[in-house]
Amino acid sequence: TQLLEQSPQFLSIQEGENLTVYCNSSSVFSSLQWYRQEPGEGPVLLVTVVTGGEVKKLKRLTFQFGDARKDSSLHITAAQPGDTGLYLCAGERTSGTYKYIFGTGTRLKVLA
Amino acid sequence: DTAVSQTPKYLVTQMGNDKSIKCEQNLGHDTMYWYKQDSKKFLKIMFSYNNKELIINETVPNRFSPKSPDKAHLNLHINSLELGDSAVYFCASSLPGQGIEQYFGPGTRLTVT
Repeated sequence: TQLLEQSPQFLSIQEGENLTVYCNSSSVFSSLQWYRQEPGEGPVLLVTVVTGGEVKKLKRLTFQFGDARKDSSLHITAAQPGDTGLYLCAGERTSGTYKYIFGTGTRLKVLA
Repeated sequence: DTAVSQTPKYLVTQMGNDKSIKCEQNLGHDTMYWYKQDSKKFLKIMFSYNNKELIINETVPNRFSPKSPDKAHLNLHINSLELGDSAVYFCASSLPGQGIEQYFGPGTRLTVT
């Protein structure tokens, strides 16, 4: 049972298109992070969201934390080949075991 | 100026051997972690240390033993390696506080033959 589900699992799009990646759970999180991982490297932190309903922007990337702090989304506007990578959400649960968990991952490929 | 470094980058070894992976961070963080990333890219936490004290020990075989000589280092020793141990192992570190933002090393690709 995966506690933090991401969708889609795979996404291949053309340069210039928009996309949204979702991160969903039945658990409540005190904070949630998004990371990007490129082949042969470790995940790199993109953003942290803490407050329910919070929206953060990082250039063409927009991150949103759900009002109930159970889900999050990542929206990329006008995707570029440099956005290609594995996107991982991760969160600190407020209760239960496995306090800090990673999502199942979304592999994004942006074609030139 | 590497923030979190791991050695070796690649490790190929035979079943039954004992091996170690070293991790060092120069960020001044109090907490360090070991993760295993499988072939499906799923990241699962194995251990977490805070100021040299073990605080998370997930369900991993006791052939895996972390050692933290000081808060900047967290090494992972694996005894009697098995084929299923093949994976990429990541070390990470973080500051305690709201929002566990983790900084990852480059990973060690372990292949057991």
